[in-house]
Amino acid sequence: EAGVAQSPRYKIIEKRQSVAFWCNPISGHATLYWYQQILGQGPKLLIQFQNNGVVDDSQLPKDRFSAERLKGVDSTLKIQPAKLEDSAVYLCASSLVARGSYEQYFGPGTRLTVT
Amino acid sequence: DQQVKQNSPSLSVQEGRISILNCDYTNSMFDYFLWYKKYPAEGPTFLISISSIKDKNEDGRFTVFLNKSAKHLSLHIVPSQPGDSAVYFCAARAINTNAGKSTFGDGTTLTVKP
Repeated sequence: EAGVAQSPRYKIIEKRQSVAFWCNPISGHATLYWYQQILGQGPKLLIQFQNNGVVDDSQLPKDRFSAERLKGVDSTLKIQPAKLEDSAVYLCASSLVARGSYEQYFGPGTRLTVT
Repeated sequence: DQQVKQNSPSLSVQEGRISILNCDYTNSMFDYFLWYKKYPAEGPTFLISISSIKDKNEDGRFTVFLNKSAKHLSLHIVPSQPGDSAVYFCAARAINTNAGKSTFGDGTTLTVKP
């Protein structure tokens, strides 16, 4: 079974530029998450999708961040314009919430450096 | 306000000995707890979980203990192996949130010395 795919793996941009990340979850997983992980901290949820609908975006900085999952499968996360404090690893995860099991399956992440 | 706390940023143990990683939480609505392991340049991988109706769950060398009255859980690794060297994240799910949503601690870096 293929895991969660993310691209690109690394990205370096200047502040005020825009950037987009792509994620393809595990086949059949209806729930998709985007996390931001700053160095030395745990993953922080940015947005959660159930199929193609948003169920939680309370911690997404909506003035600069946006995400979509148009066909309920793959997803993109965009930052426009980027700030220095956006430098982090952006993790995508998916899950098949069933029978009381809540584990998430993570992709390798995209390391973003904003200069 | 950090609801899941891993107060030890790092832990070093000798190969073959026991590793004990600790996690404290503040939200009494958490009903499911998970541990993830993360190697450098990889995403976290699920390790073991426990429901709040249990106080212990075991899977091979890994055992998680839950003390609800103390709002504390711990992960025991016995015996520890060099390949266990990684960052370990504690995560928790609240009963009143969207299914699957978890809150993560900041992680503990475990180093197992040969």
